[in-house]
Amino acid sequence: SAVISQKPSRDICQRGTSLTIQCQVDSQVTMMFWYRQQPGQSLTLIATANQGSEATYESGFVIDKFPISRPNLTFSTLTVSNMSPEDSSIYLCSVLSGARSGANVLTFGAGSRLTVL
Amino acid sequence: GQSLEQPSEVTAVEGAIVQINCTYQTSGFYGLSWYQQHDGGAPTFLSYNALDGLEETGRFSSFLSRSDSYGYLLLQELQMKDSASYFCAPGNFNKFYFGSGTKLNVKP
Repeated sequence: SAVISQKPSRDICQRGTSLTIQCQVDSQVTMMFWYRQQPGQSLTLIATANQGSEATYESGFVIDKFPISRPNLTFSTLTVSNMSPEDSSIYLCSVLSGARSGANVLTFGAGSRLTVL
Repeated sequence: GQSLEQPSEVTAVEGAIVQINCTYQTSGFYGLSWYQQHDGGAPTFLSYNALDGLEETGRFSSFLSRSDSYGYLLLQELQMKDSASYFCAPGNFNKFYFGSGTKLNVKP
């Protein structure tokens, strides 16, 4: 399965600032996903990022707040803009890879834990 | 829209068997995945069902009933290292939504 390097692993940010999270994959992948997970909670899909097209955002998430770039098949960034304490969360990137026939498997990066003061 | 239900917490002892249920409603359903997440770690894939029936992978098995929009994860011969959160994730082939997660506590 793919190996994902995600950074930063954690950061403490000031209200009103923006932070960009980077996700590097060791192989070319078509689809990359960005999730958010608040401590002790489930994973919420933010958007799907395909190379060469605009990201597709889920309900409740907008491009102005979470702009995504996908310049090539191995790299993506998620920016959390104009942060507020409510944005404090773990952000995870993931890619689809097939573990075995018929199974679409998500592989996750280690996550970026953001704390907004 | 999407809806998912799974128990919030389950406690069992080492060596026991535990079943974690998941009921779902999702458009364009393709298959049901299960993921394990230890505290502070990233989710890791456990099992996947595209067809009705039981899939067995070592100590873990997963079951799906498409007509009932229901599945479960069965963990046998529980070990302390199985203490983690378990998420069901129904997918529509290229997009996966996660349930609220079940925290499994394994006690000696």
